[in-house]
Amino acid sequence: GAGVSQTPSNKVTEKGKYVELRCDPISGHTALYWYRQSLGQGPEFLIYFQGTGAADDSGLPNDRFFAVRPEGSVSTLKIQRTERGDSAVYLCASSLTGGAGNSPLHFGNGTRLTVT
Amino acid sequence: KQEVTQIPAALSVPEGENLVLNCSFTDSAIYNLQWFRQDPGKGLTSLLLIQSSQREQTSGRLNASLDKSSGRSTLYIAASQPGDSATYLCAVSGNTPLVFGKGTRLSVIA
Repeated sequence: GAGVSQTPSNKVTEKGKYVELRCDPISGHTALYWYRQSLGQGPEFLIYFQGTGAADDSGLPNDRFFAVRPEGSVSTLKIQRTERGDSAVYLCASSLTGGAGNSPLHFGNGTRLTVT
Repeated sequence: KQEVTQIPAALSVPEGENLVLNCSFTDSAIYNLQWFRQDPGKGLTSLLLIQSSQREQTSGRLNASLDKSSGRSTLYIAASQPGDSATYLCAVSGNTPLVFGKGTRLSVIA
């Protein structure tokens, strides 16, 4: 079946611009996660949704980052006033259950964001 | 704060060798541990998930063990193949969503 889909696969933007990154989770998965991965590093947690609500947003680096999941399915990660340090691969994952649940996470291929 | 360390950072082996990748974590209060594979430019593929109450999980040529009390896990790959070349990431789930190590970059030489 269809996996986690992320669009766009690549995004180049100028410093100071606003960007939106989209994630389509696996159908029926209630939990959705955003991670950020820099070169040579493991993914770093940003935010986790259970249904429509953000259950844990402790990983968002500052108030320029915001994410929504209005209908409990598709999620959008929004970055305002982008900075060169925001350049990374943004990964989305979904799982059947969330939190400390025991279902594995399924990742998309990520969006590679480059801020020039 | 949970920290996950993976050793070695990189490993190169000839085809056919058995190998072990190591993962350690600082907080033993975990719910589960997952091993992932990541190919260049791709997302992560889940390989094995071990619940905190389990000691090991097996899938094909892969075997993952978990010693929660000592904060360690190993991923054993039998009879390695060039197609196994990838980065292998360990991640633990506890009171926070998955915390990842930096990964081990594996090269299997034909």
